[in-house]
Amino acid sequence: QQPVQSPQAVILREGEDAVINCSSSKALYSVHWYRQKHGEAPVFLMILLKGGEQKGHEKISASFNEKKQQSSLYLTASQLSYSGTYFCGPGSNYKLTFGKGTLLTVNP
Amino acid sequence: DVKVTQSSRYLVKRTGEKVFLECVQDMDHENMFWYRQDPGLGLRLIYFSYDVKMKEKGDIPEGYSVSREKKERFSLILESASTNQTSMYLCASSKLDGHLRGVTEAFFGQGTRLTVV
Repeated sequence: QQPVQSPQAVILREGEDAVINCSSSKALYSVHWYRQKHGEAPVFLMILLKGGEQKGHEKISASFNEKKQQSSLYLTASQLSYSGTYFCGPGSNYKLTFGKGTLLTVNP
Repeated sequence: DVKVTQSSRYLVKRTGEKVFLECVQDMDHENMFWYRQDPGLGLRLIYFSYDVKMKEKGDIPEGYSVSREKKERFSLILESASTNQTSMYLCASSKLDGHLRGVTEAFFGQGTRLTVV
């Protein structure tokens, strides 16, 4: 089963903040976050591990609530380059599945 | 520069044909994945493999099979293509990591847009 993401879409003005949520009915050992720009392949943003450790490559933060099986991605002071579709997914037991995605549009 | 290469960007096949989609990675990754992407449905996992000759069904394996004879290559096979298999297909790979229970940062290929007519 795919994890559930919310909202499905969000429109921001440059400089505004956004939160994208991800929940799963299955036990999460790690949560992955990726961003896909239009016409391009998804690109890794971050992994959150059970126990709180985060591994990421960009200045985007996230949280992982193990009890609720939920993760949230925080985009602060959004830039035009943040536009794209964001996918979350549990990565465990060699398997990586994704939600339906959240389309983020940042306007000038 | 890390690379996941899919053999074709665009492919048009006829209904009933056997179709092979090839994916090669040059990062010595143990894990490989095949997804299909359709508007509004996100990325859906078809099959994955964590070792040579090992394969596991994902969420939507019906109508597909896979082959992993070499570590760097993971092939997706449509035994008898149908119009409802028209889609964007994405291959990905990741390193195996025991701490993360197997899945580290995944790298994606550019995708193959398959049209079945």
